[in-house]
Amino acid sequence: GAGVSQTPSNKVTEKGKYVELRCDPISGHTALYWYRQSLGQGPEFLIYFQGTGAADDSGLPNDRFFAVRPEGSVSTLKIQRTERGDSAVYLCASSLTGGELNEQFFGPGTRLTVL
Amino acid sequence: GIQVEQSPPDLILQEGANSTLRCNFSDSVNNLQWFHQNPWGQLINLFYIPSGTKQNGRLSATTVATERYSLLYISSSQTTDSGVYFCAVERRSNYQLIWGAGTKLIIKP
Repeated sequence: GAGVSQTPSNKVTEKGKYVELRCDPISGHTALYWYRQSLGQGPEFLIYFQGTGAADDSGLPNDRFFAVRPEGSVSTLKIQRTERGDSAVYLCASSLTGGELNEQFFGPGTRLTVL
Repeated sequence: GIQVEQSPPDLILQEGANSTLRCNFSDSVNNLQWFHQNPWGQLINLFYIPSGTKQNGRLSATTVATERYSLLYISSSQTTDSGVYFCAVERRSNYQLIWGAGTKLIIKP
């Protein structure tokens, strides 16, 4: 596609529910990143994929968060037993090959609200 | 970890004015990116600038990697320039972007 796309654009759920957020990177980009942005702050890193594997998941806040990229393209961020503190905008980015000297391009984000 | 500081935190200008936004970072990095986050939340890439100077229309940026800072210049501001400007640096060890808190720019007509 022309740019990074994310679905849904908005998700409202109740505390304790399970949610999945989808990211479709720029065609041909092998590296994919998830970030989370709270109101009034800069984004914070969650996880980085190189191809199908998670090269770095050090930013995931706890084991309720999990992400997959089974075919090296689309990625899904999964959050179990959601909490009100999980409310934020979840951003996905992709870059051509990852590694050094690779510009990251961002999708429009998914705004998650946990009631 | 790497610290990224942006200044000023807020800036209000009249249309047509020029501005300089600063980004300081505390350690060596692979690269640096400047973004504009528009009122709808979309992050728009402005510059990918690990070092040197780049220009794109009314915007230009300079990164002095040895002194660990970058500057974003906006000339002849327009109301559509309003939004939050973020600086993000790429950590050498794992390629994640570390972000500053942003500069909120308001351009008044």
